[in-house]
Amino acid sequence: KNEVEQSPQNLTAQEGEFITINCSYSVGISALHWLQQHPGGGIVSLFMLSSGKKKHGRLIATINIQEKHSSLHITASHPRDSAVYICAAPPPNTGNQFYFGTGTSLTVIP
Amino acid sequence: ETGVTQSPTHLIKTRGQQVTLRCSSQSGHNTVSWYQQALGQGPQFIFQYYREEENGRGNFPPRFSGLQFPNYSSELNVNALELDDSALYLCASSRNRGDTEAFFGQGTRLTVV
Repeated sequence: KNEVEQSPQNLTAQEGEFITINCSYSVGISALHWLQQHPGGGIVSLFMLSSGKKKHGRLIATINIQEKHSSLHITASHPRDSAVYICAAPPPNTGNQFYFGTGTSLTVIP
Repeated sequence: ETGVTQSPTHLIKTRGQQVTLRCSSQSGHNTVSWYQQALGQGPQFIFQYYREEENGRGNFPPRFSGLQFPNYSSELNVNALELDDSALYLCASSRNRGDTEAFFGQGTRLTVV
């Protein structure tokens, strides 16, 4: 069993739809990250959060520490949102020694 | 914008050979971690270096080794390459070893034939 689990693995949406990607973890963590990976491979950090909710543009990330669960929401999805979204979390006091989920491949169709 | 650069971007090696991958950290960052990402999988932690010393290691055999230099740039060396070593190798740098904020490089795509 992976320390960090994501669902769904693949997601296809029509442009404009509201999208939710879920992440659950089984280990103690100091913070949870949502990352975006484009086909070229490079990873961009979207959010780092340890409690509550963060919003950046059309992206919203929430975390429930008690339930060990986080969600990434995309409002008014757009084809340029098509990418792989990965959640990652490090055990406490390990800095950037992340456990990663397997990723959610999102395709937004015009 | 990330200041983490990796080289080369792509590489093809033959089974049994050795390979060295390089990572230049974001300015001011003294901690770097390396990850292996097989096709269709999430990245797996290989090891972390902090101020030129290994500071944590994942479940990878000893033929995966690393080095960090005084300027905090880093190398990943893999000896006796196997076909299963074909993957995207990513590095991530952080300001300090306790910081979870990390910046990722674009990765090196290694193909072992």
